[in-house]
Amino acid sequence: DARVTQTPRHKVTEMGQEVTMRCQPILGHNTVFWYRQTMMQGLELLAYFRNRAPLDDSGMPKDRFSAEMPDATLATLKIQPSEPRDSAVYFCASGLVPPKEGYGYTFGSGTRLTVV
Amino acid sequence: QQQVKQSPQSLIVQKGGISIINCAYENTAFDYFPWYQQFPGKGPALLIAIRPDVSEKKEGRFTISFNKSAKQFSLHIMDSQPGDSATYFCAASRTSGTYKYIFGTGTRLKVLA
Repeated sequence: DARVTQTPRHKVTEMGQEVTMRCQPILGHNTVFWYRQTMMQGLELLAYFRNRAPLDDSGMPKDRFSAEMPDATLATLKIQPSEPRDSAVYFCASGLVPPKEGYGYTFGSGTRLTVV
Repeated sequence: QQQVKQSPQSLIVQKGGISIINCAYENTAFDYFPWYQQFPGKGPALLIAIRPDVSEKKEGRFTISFNKSAKQFSLHIMDSQPGDSATYFCAASRTSGTYKYIFGTGTRLKVLA
């Protein structure tokens, strides 16, 4: 089965440090999303890309977060400087748009970030 | 207008019972409604989805009921099993333009053995 691969799975870092999370979308998918999941806020959309171009990053705190797709096989989400309130699980999801049969986005297993 | 409201927040059901999770939306432009299932430590996985041209879709023990006039849709899990214990998210999307999902807040389901 094709899957979305996220690294690292877990990250513990000190406040103020830079954090980089990586995502390898499914080959052939042209749309990539970054979500943040917390108990309080549920699944928040941070940013998404179509054909590697950013379409919407209005959900991201611009002063510290940045998202890029340097190539079709890699999406990155960076936080600099990190803060304790950034502690959450970050998910990447990919899909093909326009969709074929069985339209739906495939999520990775997430990166659990803890900022102390 | 972009919100999807999901209820209940948590649900406890006896094995063999019916689990029902409800969602409501405001934006009439939404035309695709998927449900995702998430187990602890995993990412959400697509479970079942419906378009507004049908009122019901069934896949095994999982059924989506859709009420276009009320702008509501629900997930029914028949003969609920302990293995169904997970968090369930509804979502709404337009099948044009951005195609982005608006997720509900999630329902944590526990099925007692």
